[in-house]
Amino acid sequence: DGGITQSPKYLFRKEGQNVTLSCEQNLNHDAMYWYRQDPGQGLRLIYYSQIVNDFQKGDIAEGYSVSREKKESFPLTVTSAQKNPTAFYLCASSISPIGGEANVLTFGAGSRLTVL
Amino acid sequence: QQQVKQSPQSLIVQKGGISIINCAYENTAFDYFPWYQQFPGKGPALLIAIRPDVSEKKEGRFTISFNKSAKQFSLHIMDSQPGDSATYFCAATPGFGDPFGNEKLTFGTGTRLTIIP
Repeated sequence: DGGITQSPKYLFRKEGQNVTLSCEQNLNHDAMYWYRQDPGQGLRLIYYSQIVNDFQKGDIAEGYSVSREKKESFPLTVTSAQKNPTAFYLCASSISPIGGEANVLTFGAGSRLTVL
Repeated sequence: QQQVKQSPQSLIVQKGGISIINCAYENTAFDYFPWYQQFPGKGPALLIAIRPDVSEKKEGRFTISFNKSAKQFSLHIMDSQPGDSATYFCAATPGFGDPFGNEKLTFGTGTRLTIIP
């Protein structure tokens, strides 16, 4: 079955540590995205990538970094510079950033990060 | 102009009733409108979507109504069930081939729906 795999599902981090969240897709989608969701809140875009080796900042990119070396993979690093990193992180992908149905997102199951 | 405004923020409906969630937009380039359903601790999943060339689309108990002139669209859940309790997000994106089509999906702020017995 095609889909998006996020790991780990739960992650605990001590203050000052960097952590990396994994996102892998086997949908052959060109575009990938990272969103942050806080309790009872909506979806805030962190970073997105429309093509391999290219990515763009979203609305809340500060304290985060990404890479897109392979079409299938879009890992997110939460750095120590992120002041309030405890949240639910969602990875998503879309067929291609050309509009219409091609922009519709498929989401992973999410990763919950807790800073101790 | 990129915003999608969603209301209400939360909604409580009795089992068997009709749940209605409303969204409004300003960007006339928006041409495709998906709705997502998210259960606690899970990722959002595509529920139903509509293009503005139709005024209504129905899939089972879920119906999208679209008013192009008012730039508004809504999700109706008929015969609401406790299993429908979730957070619902509307979204919008420019159409295929639109000069702005490479812009990302724009989400509403979400509606937390609770169906009570």
